[in-house]
Amino acid sequence: QVQLQESGPGLVRPSETLSLTCTVSGASITNLYYTWIRQPPGKGLEWIGYIYHSGSANYNPSLKGRVTMSLDTSKNQLSLNLNSVTAADTAVYYCARGYQLLAGWFAPWGQGTLVTVSS
Amino acid sequence: SYVLTQPPSVSLAPGRTATIACGGDNIERKSVHWYQQKPGQAPVLVIYHENDRPSGIPERFSGSISGKTATLTISRVEAGDEADYYCQVWDDDGVVVFGGGTKLTVL
Repeated sequence: QVQLQESGPGLVRPSETLSLTCTVSGASITNLYYTWIRQPPGKGLEWIGYIYHSGSANYNPSLKGRVTMSLDTSKNQLSLNLNSVTAADTAVYYCARGYQLLAGWFAPWGQGTLVTVSS
Repeated sequence: SYVLTQPPSVSLAPGRTATIACGGDNIERKSVHWYQQKPGQAPVLVIYHENDRPSGIPERFSGSISGKTATLTISRVEAGDEADYYCQVWDDDGVVVFGGGTKLTVL
């Protein structure tokens, strides 16, 4: 059974970089692709981007070049970095496995991790 | 940018049939997926490719597309179905788009 677990600091200062890790168990990250999605408190889902098993990635243009994703195949982990954060980046951050790149769906999702941006 | 429109809320009594709409331009040409999110939990895929159900999802859940609207239908609604439901597609630029979500309340 595939499981994903997000981890990282729960509090980030404004203008600093948010860094999260997603550890995948039960499947190799060298297959399919993985995505990051966030959800501000009380609001809907926002797609952040995906990273393919080759390492190529695509990001939501709304994040204006602040985001990067990477893979660590030795640890079966993927990482998310979001720089120059503001209070608007406060959200629960989810990682999920993706199927059928450019047309597909996401399953399963990690449990999510809340990141608060505040001084 | 591509937009998916969902009604904010749907309310109905147990045992009735819930329909949750998701509207978007040319949605009939896209592959539509649906997620259920219960309070404090991560979203769970309930329908993919318009009308395929993942293992473990009851047959009461089904999907369809007609014109510019995709629809998630939940037959014989139960209290345990109370949740937020989101539709999802990819736009022509390779960006994932989610609908704003619909809160299903079982009265």
